[in-house]
Amino acid sequence: SAVISQKPSRDICQRGTSLTIQCQVDSQVTMMFWYRQQPGQSLTLIATANQGSEATYESGFVIDKFPISRPNLTFSTLTVSNMSPEDSSIYLCSVTGTALTDTQYFGPGTRLTVL
Amino acid sequence: QKEVEQDPGPLSVPEGAIVSLNCTYSNSAFQYFMWYRQYSRKGPELLMYTYSSGNKEDGRFTAQVDKSSKYISLFIRDSQPSDSATYLCAMERTDKLIFGTGTRLQVFP
Repeated sequence: SAVISQKPSRDICQRGTSLTIQCQVDSQVTMMFWYRQQPGQSLTLIATANQGSEATYESGFVIDKFPISRPNLTFSTLTVSNMSPEDSSIYLCSVTGTALTDTQYFGPGTRLTVL
Repeated sequence: QKEVEQDPGPLSVPEGAIVSLNCTYSNSAFQYFMWYRQYSRKGPELLMYTYSSGNKEDGRFTAQVDKSSKYISLFIRDSQPSDSATYLCAMERTDKLIFGTGTRLQVFP
């Protein structure tokens, strides 16, 4: 399985500002995913980040609010733009393993609080 | 109706008990079924992974899938306080994972 790190691990931000979350993987992976985990709710996929192409966003999530970069096969960033208290959540990146039967492995998450 | 339903708990059991965690789903397109464990302030970690109906055992953990009833279970035998965590079921279709809300489990000594 891949080792995934995220920065920052947590942050407290003011309304209207933006935060960029970094995800670093210790091996090259094709697909990286960004999830949101709100209290009492399911993990929800925000977008799939593929290297060399635009991210694919799920219904309810837009690029202007959650721009994503994927400059290479080991790194991605998610920006939460123009934040409001409703954006307070845990944001997680995940990757698909390299074996045929591998499923997704998750980073430790970034806990975001918006005041 | 949600694609995946999971009782959020919390579930509180004494050490040594057998724990049963369950999820139901509505979409027949799901092909792969997983259980993740998430400790507080950590990311989910994969526990069990299966793609066929029947049972799969790994140590104290048994994953059970019944595709005809659209029902999956995770059994934990001889539960330990270290098993206290949130358990999330997840199902995969076309490279996309759909998660349940998670069941919070507390095992007390």
